[in-house]
Amino acid sequence: AQSVAQPEDQVNVAEGNPLTVKCTYSVSGNPYLFWYVQYPNRGLQFLLKYITGDNLVKGSYGFEAEFNKSQTSFHLKKPSALVSDSALYFCAVRDASGTYKYIFGTGTRLKVLA
Amino acid sequence: DGGITQSPKYLFRKEGQNVTLSCEQNLNHDAMYWYRQDPGQGLRLIYYSQIVNDFQKGDIAEGYSVSREKKESFPLTVTSAQKNPTAFYLCASSGQVLGNTIYFGEGSWLTVV
Repeated sequence: AQSVAQPEDQVNVAEGNPLTVKCTYSVSGNPYLFWYVQYPNRGLQFLLKYITGDNLVKGSYGFEAEFNKSQTSFHLKKPSALVSDSALYFCAVRDASGTYKYIFGTGTRLKVLA
Repeated sequence: DGGITQSPKYLFRKEGQNVTLSCEQNLNHDAMYWYRQDPGQGLRLIYYSQIVNDFQKGDIAEGYSVSREKKESFPLTVTSAQKNPTAFYLCASSGQVLGNTIYFGEGSWLTVV
């Protein structure tokens, strides 16, 4: 069965420092991986995805993610955090078993401290 | 503008009432989804539909019902059988291809009064 894990409920980082939000996955077959951000009382906004190709994926708002097949990880990164990056972040994988389902992680709250 | 429109943004339900949340998309997506999110928590799948006139139960379908009569529309009814309906409800849609992105609406808050 497909699954994703976000091992940290919360990540704190100082403004201007690099940030990493972790995600590991378990899939049968090729992984289709996604990152989303959610601000309070809003829907999820798409940041980036990995389908195939380059292991470093660049996305919106300066975010990037590194796909690591041997470690089954897809960590979200940003070189320099902003206070406005404080939000809830979700990792997701597309179920490749024939359904149209997406499996979401439990979310990681990012707090960027001024 | 292309996207997913959910309405209303805020809805109040009295005990014993059924309420319906609207979701419309103009992205020409085949698949549509309803998720429930409790405060500070993750997403739980209620129902999803891969094609018109077909839908499947997700992880927490009890007390909810849906219909998919048009490709653009996927309304969710929260019935009186759902004993704890207060939550944030998110509608989403995606294409068929495996690499397609799932896109979300802005959500609807349902509160029991």
